[in-house]
Amino acid sequence: ILNVEQSPQSLHVQEGDSTNFTCSFPSSNFYALHWYRWETAKSPEALFVMTLNGDEKKKGRISATLNTKEGYSYLYIKGSQPEDSATYLCAFISGYNQGGKLIFGQGTELSVKP
Amino acid sequence: EAQVTQNPRYLITVTGKKLTVTCSQNMNHEYMSWYRQDPGLGLRQIYYSMNVEVTDKGDVPEGYKVSRKEKRNFPLILESPSPNQTSLYFCASRNRYTQYFGPGTRLTVL
Repeated sequence: ILNVEQSPQSLHVQEGDSTNFTCSFPSSNFYALHWYRWETAKSPEALFVMTLNGDEKKKGRISATLNTKEGYSYLYIKGSQPEDSATYLCAFISGYNQGGKLIFGQGTELSVKP
Repeated sequence: EAQVTQNPRYLITVTGKKLTVTCSQNMNHEYMSWYRQDPGLGLRQIYYSMNVEVTDKGDVPEGYKVSRKEKRNFPLILESPSPNQTSLYFCASRNRYTQYFGPGTRLTVL
């Protein structure tokens, strides 16, 4: 059974704080890792797709890194703003099943207070 | 506008009454999936399809059927819904990398 774990489960920070979350996934047969941002009452929205060991992606104040050999990815938010409040999900795609199967972590719920 | 549409958005039904939730995408994506979201359990993949007439089970396929007769459509069929299928359902489509989610269908089975 493939398992994807995210930590912490929830995080409360003040506006302006920088923060980071972890996604752990199986280190064998890696195909891709996705990060999503999911606001309440909306659909998950893709942030990053990471495919190569050592990948680093950036979108504004949000960035992500990938280590496929040890099976983890970090998501960083620099200078958190209240509008960053959301649940952040990662999803692991295994090389089995031709990359069709996605396994999501439980998510990290971020709350940013003004 | 690139999008994934689902219908209906909300549905209340009774145990045993067959229903279909439709899903359509206009991006010519090969991959499509259905997920359910339950409190404390996160998003779980029900079925996925890698192309027309090619489907496979995700993590929680029991009680569901799918078909992919055209590239743009991927309906989810509940032949005999039960209360434990009460959930929020998302359809999604993706190219090799980016996945786009539909708006969700909230299903209640009484």
